[in-house]
Amino acid sequence: AQSVTQLGSHVSVSEGALVLLRCNYSSSVPPYLFWYVQYPNQGLQLLLKYTTGATLVKGINGFEAEFKKSETSFHLTKPSAHMSDAAEYFCAVSGSGGGADGLTFGKGTHLIIQP
Amino acid sequence: DVKVTQSSRYLVKRTGEKVFLECVQDMDHENMFWYRQDPGLGLRLIYFSYDVKMKEKGDIPEGYSVSREKKERFSLILESASTNQTSMYLCASRDWATDTQYFGPGTRLTVL
Repeated sequence: AQSVTQLGSHVSVSEGALVLLRCNYSSSVPPYLFWYVQYPNQGLQLLLKYTTGATLVKGINGFEAEFKKSETSFHLTKPSAHMSDAAEYFCAVSGSGGGADGLTFGKGTHLIIQP
Repeated sequence: DVKVTQSSRYLVKRTGEKVFLECVQDMDHENMFWYRQDPGLGLRLIYFSYDVKMKEKGDIPEGYSVSREKKERFSLILESASTNQTSMYLCASRDWATDTQYFGPGTRLTVL
């Protein structure tokens, strides 16, 4: 079984400041890890994913995340927040690798950007 | 571009009604999924399908069933809707080659 914990249901940062959204996971198999973003009244869009190989993963819109096995973490960062980054962010882990059995999601973090 | 469409964006039904939520993908993906999304709970997997006529229970299948008669279409059925099934329902299909799930826009279902 796997689980995902996202620390902070709401995170508020100033425009131009660093964005850090935290995600910790547990998995009994080598995990595949994902970050999705959801804008109001829309479905989920993939930001980035880690499967194997390089542990620092770059995604769309300037986001990146680092897989740290020793810390069982996959935190999402962006150096400089933009107003358009305001959205709900979900971290997810796959079961058997690749998500063939569906993804296990965290509860989400609502990112608020202060002008 | 992968496209996953859902039959309705908003739906209002009465308790006890039978409800069908339809999902169609246009990329010939074998794997398809139904999740429900509730505030503070994230997304939870209801059912998934590996291929046509195949289905597997997810984490919260109670009160739901599914149908996959054609590869592109995956239907979620609420046999007798109840108020605790008021939620946002999201369909997804998975690209095996890139290990990526693509989501539809969601159906917000209200059961009165």
